[in-house]
Amino acid sequence: EDQVTQSPEALRLQEGESSSLNCSYTVSGLRGLFWYRQDPGKGPEFLFTLYSAGEEKEKERLKATLTKKESFLHITAPKPEDSATYLCAVRGSARQLTFGSGTQLTVLP
Amino acid sequence: DAGVIQSPRHEVTEMGQEVTLRCKPISGHDYLFWYRQTMMRGLELLIYFNNNVPIDDSGMPEDRFSAKMPNASFSTLKIQPSEPRDSAVYFCASSLGHLLNEKLFFGSGTQLSVL
Repeated sequence: EDQVTQSPEALRLQEGESSSLNCSYTVSGLRGLFWYRQDPGKGPEFLFTLYSAGEEKEKERLKATLTKKESFLHITAPKPEDSATYLCAVRGSARQLTFGSGTQLTVLP
Repeated sequence: DAGVIQSPRHEVTEMGQEVTLRCKPISGHDYLFWYRQTMMRGLELLIYFNNNVPIDDSGMPEDRFSAKMPNASFSTLKIQPSEPRDSAVYFCASSLGHLLNEKLFFGSGTQLSVL
């Protein structure tokens, strides 16, 4: 059974204070690790897909990295508009995505 | 593209009543997923369809839940009878299955409250 654990559950940062979110996973035959952003009252919105250890993807202030056991979402000089819940998910041999419980990020001005 | 469209956005009902949630996937997408989100359990897959055919319904909690996809542009999730523990946000998502970087596009969800 695929499993995803995210930490921390919640993170409060000052604007400009860089940090990282962690996603640990166990999966049979990784076919993709996904990061999503979810704003209150909305559905998750796709950010990145990573497929193999060592891969990195960047988008504005966000950078996602992948190892064989975990993924990190690095946030550089965050702004208040980066406040959201960040979800990690894996796709193994099955078609569906298995999601972690998310990290709720708050960036204070 | 309008994205994945779900209705209603909010549903408040009494225990024992039938509830029907609706979803219109993105045109051309061949996979449709129903997820449920709660604070305690996060996002859980209930069922998914490929080309309108149910493929895996192992996440459907019990016989009170049923889902249909009569055509490529419409799906329903029905709960009968509803119970307070069914209160959650229900998301529909769709995807193009043949793409290497297949990703799910989610609707805005239906907030269900069963009193």
